[in-house]
Amino acid sequence: DSGVTQTPKHLITATGQRVTLRCSPRSGDLSVYWYQQSLDQGLQFLIQYYNGEERAKGNILERFSAQQFPDLHSELNLSSLELGDSALYFCASSPTSGRGTDTQYFGPGTRLTVL
Amino acid sequence: GQNIDQPTEMTATEGAIVQINCTYQTSGFNGLFWYQQHAGEAPTFLSYNVLDGLEEKGRFSSFLSRSKGYSYLLLKELQMKDSASYLCAVRDTPGGFKTIFGAGTRLFVKA
Repeated sequence: DSGVTQTPKHLITATGQRVTLRCSPRSGDLSVYWYQQSLDQGLQFLIQYYNGEERAKGNILERFSAQQFPDLHSELNLSSLELGDSALYFCASSPTSGRGTDTQYFGPGTRLTVL
Repeated sequence: GQNIDQPTEMTATEGAIVQINCTYQTSGFNGLFWYQQHAGEAPTFLSYNVLDGLEEKGRFSSFLSRSKGYSYLLLKELQMKDSASYLCAVRDTPGGFKTIFGAGTRLFVKA
């Protein structure tokens, strides 16, 4: 158990809908990262937050948005869902902004299925 | 561009040694990570290299050559439970803003 929690574990929804994925980082970690992993694909970095502020952006679609709250939990919002958005969404956390030996610890993931 | 290359699949025998290679081309370099991921589960951290050389951790070792843009993960005394995907990842900026993951190498350990 990495100490990172994600809810829900599974989510099934329809095209065009909007969903929110939630992540709580390990105690004391200030950074939260979101990744998308499609079937047989590598981890695609979406976005990073550090202490409430956006720190880095990867290949995140405009239909997707995220935020990190004062208690450091984070939410990833996916809207106008398409079939291709079906994937495992991982959240990871790390103690700092990503310096030195700072290592990312991954949550169990949310499996999103868009029908 | 940014690129991390790993073999797609490897097969090895229980008790043997296997080496998984990773080559990378990134705009910057601030550390290389190896993660293990079982199917449908979260990646778990295995090792971190930022200086050239070998880091050993029990049955797992990781090597880095920054001048060659090359790393390998060495797994000794293979066990069936080592069957998993192994992800090579590079942190590409000093600020550590972005970590780029390779597609992973799926390792099958057979009896």
